[in-house]
Amino acid sequence: GQNIDQPTEMTATEGAIVQINCTYQTSGFNGLFWYQQHAGEAPTFLSYNVLDGLEEKGRFSSFLSRSKGYSYLLLKELQMKDSASYLCASMDSNYQLIWGAGTKLIIKP
Amino acid sequence: GAVVSQHPSWVICKSGTSVKIECRSLDFQATTMFWYRQFPKQSLMLMATSNEGSKATYEQGVEKDKFLINHASLTLSTLTVTSAHPEDSSFYICSVRESDYGYTFGSGTRLTVV
Repeated sequence: GQNIDQPTEMTATEGAIVQINCTYQTSGFNGLFWYQQHAGEAPTFLSYNVLDGLEEKGRFSSFLSRSKGYSYLLLKELQMKDSASYLCASMDSNYQLIWGAGTKLIIKP
Repeated sequence: GAVVSQHPSWVICKSGTSVKIECRSLDFQATTMFWYRQFPKQSLMLMATSNEGSKATYEQGVEKDKFLINHASLTLSTLTVTSAHPEDSSFYICSVRESDYGYTFGSGTRLTVV
């Protein structure tokens, strides 16, 4: 079957670092996406990983281990505006996205 | 990337009436668009794949006669929620696939049925 798991909610402090984990089981895996979604808004693209390793993009980095079915999103120097839900989505063999339920990240001053 | 416009942003309708949601790809000819529904604190759920010039492909459990999809041109897909009921209240989002790995989302429509 196809399944995506990520924590429901996380809390972190402004200026700190937080890591959001995601595990997946996807047939015909074609990559792993991370999206940011603010309340009442559509998701916005953050990253895409298809090869093992770490992809760094400014304050955000994303890691993938295909053998472990595992990814994480790393957010550094947290800002209040980073408070949002972070959605993990895997792409299957038909290039369709399979979505996790999202991790609500709460940033405290 | 593509620019996707979704309208309206929010709508309140009476139970039993129908509501039409538009999704426009402003700068990309989209042969395929996707319609999602998202309930509070839940994941995006794919409802259907809209194909230009042909019938939409619905996901299991989604009523075709209730959620009418029309994709008459390469830039416009519409989702009509017919005979809406309070349980249809949700956040509806469309998406355009520009390439195998490139998805752009509309801004979403918050539907409230009273």
